[in-house]
Amino acid sequence: ETGVTQSPTHLIKTRGQQVTLRCSSQSGHNTVSWYQQALGQGPQFIFQYYREEENGRGNFPPRFSGLQFPNYSSELNVNALELDDSALYLCASSLVLDRGNSPLHFGNGTRLTVT
Amino acid sequence: KQEVTQIPAALSVPEGENLVLNCSFTDSAIYNLQWFRQDPGKGLTSLLLIQSSQREQTSGRLNASLDKSSGRSTLYIAASQPGDSATYLCAVRLTSGYSTLTFGKGTMLLVS
Repeated sequence: ETGVTQSPTHLIKTRGQQVTLRCSSQSGHNTVSWYQQALGQGPQFIFQYYREEENGRGNFPPRFSGLQFPNYSSELNVNALELDDSALYLCASSLVLDRGNSPLHFGNGTRLTVT
Repeated sequence: KQEVTQIPAALSVPEGENLVLNCSFTDSAIYNLQWFRQDPGKGLTSLLLIQSSQREQTSGRLNASLDKSSGRSTLYIAASQPGDSATYLCAVRLTSGYSTLTFGKGTMLLVS
């Protein structure tokens, strides 16, 4: 059983640029969620995708967007990068509609630095 | 709004000591609670998941308890080892069918 994999591991961007982060879900999982973790903080929920549609969103502006593909892999896109977007971005997969009985499985994250 | 607090923020103990990490949450209507471990610069590793109907879960040297009515959970680590050094995060899930977790800021543990 393969785990959750994210790419790239590290990324440096300039303020105002756009970035795309990628995530491959754990085998058999049909839901993916994204979290942002600033230094010294707990992860904050960005959004979740199920069957290629967003079905939950945290308190993040529209410049944070995503996609989920038929193979359940996912992308997180951030436009007009700001310095405060510097963080570890974590992807998690799960099997939704299991009545929440299964734990979330996280990838190792992408460390984004905005300069 | 659900808020999760973890105390202490940092803890340093000698090897072999038993220790307790605390987690509290403001809304007791949780679906489950999950404890994670995070090594520096890495992702999250799930340690234990406690459903709202359960009181505790055990895995090896780890034991997590849940008191939903008082909004508290504890993670007990027995006979701590240097390899246990990491940040420990607790997270609560409010509704079924969604993966949304609300996290605390974590407890940074150093075992020397």
